[in-house]
Amino acid sequence: EPEVTQTPSHQVTQMGQEVILRCVPISNHLYFYWYRQILGQKVEFLVSFYNNEISEKSEIFDDQFSVERPDGSNFTLKIRSTKLEDSAMYFCASSEVRQGGGYTFGSGTRLTVV
Amino acid sequence: DQQVKQNSPSLSVQEGRISILNCDYTNSMFDYFLWYKKYPAEGPTFLISISSIKDKNEDGRFTVFLNKSAKHLSLHIVPSQPGDSAVYFCAAKSERSGGYQKVTFGTGTKLQVIP
Repeated sequence: EPEVTQTPSHQVTQMGQEVILRCVPISNHLYFYWYRQILGQKVEFLVSFYNNEISEKSEIFDDQFSVERPDGSNFTLKIRSTKLEDSAMYFCASSEVRQGGGYTFGSGTRLTVV
Repeated sequence: DQQVKQNSPSLSVQEGRISILNCDYTNSMFDYFLWYKKYPAEGPTFLISISSIKDKNEDGRFTVFLNKSAKHLSLHIVPSQPGDSAVYFCAAKSERSGGYQKVTFGTGTKLQVIP
């Protein structure tokens, strides 16, 4: 079964440092997403990406965040200057262009900002 | 902005019995509703969905019911198995609002199935 792959599984970084979270979506999917889940809280939408541009972003996705699809397979989330409150599980997801379809999520990257 | 609400943070059910997980939503623009299951240290896994034009969708042991007038949906699992123990997220999206299909999640209900 096709999978969404995320690396690394766990990243520890110092406050103020830049981090890049990487994702390889399912190859025939055209929509890509980043979500995050702070410990004990709900899964929150960050950004959606289609046709090489951001389709929608949430209030969380401020100027510190950016996404990129540098080649035909990778989809990255960059946080320029991490804050303690950025500590969370970050999930990448992808979906097909069809009605009613669910996303396929990756296993997540646990980001810990110290 | 709690557009999708799951008011029960946890639920315990005996193996073999029915598990009923509930969800309420406030946004009338939602036209697809989904349930995801999540194990610790894993991403959410899509379970079942229902279109707003239906009131029931069944897939094996899982059935989702939608009551549009009450803006309420529920997931029934019968019979419940210990492997069903996980956090279940209700989610909703509006496909009328664009092709990117942004999904809004509820806060989750932790289901424990007791052997």
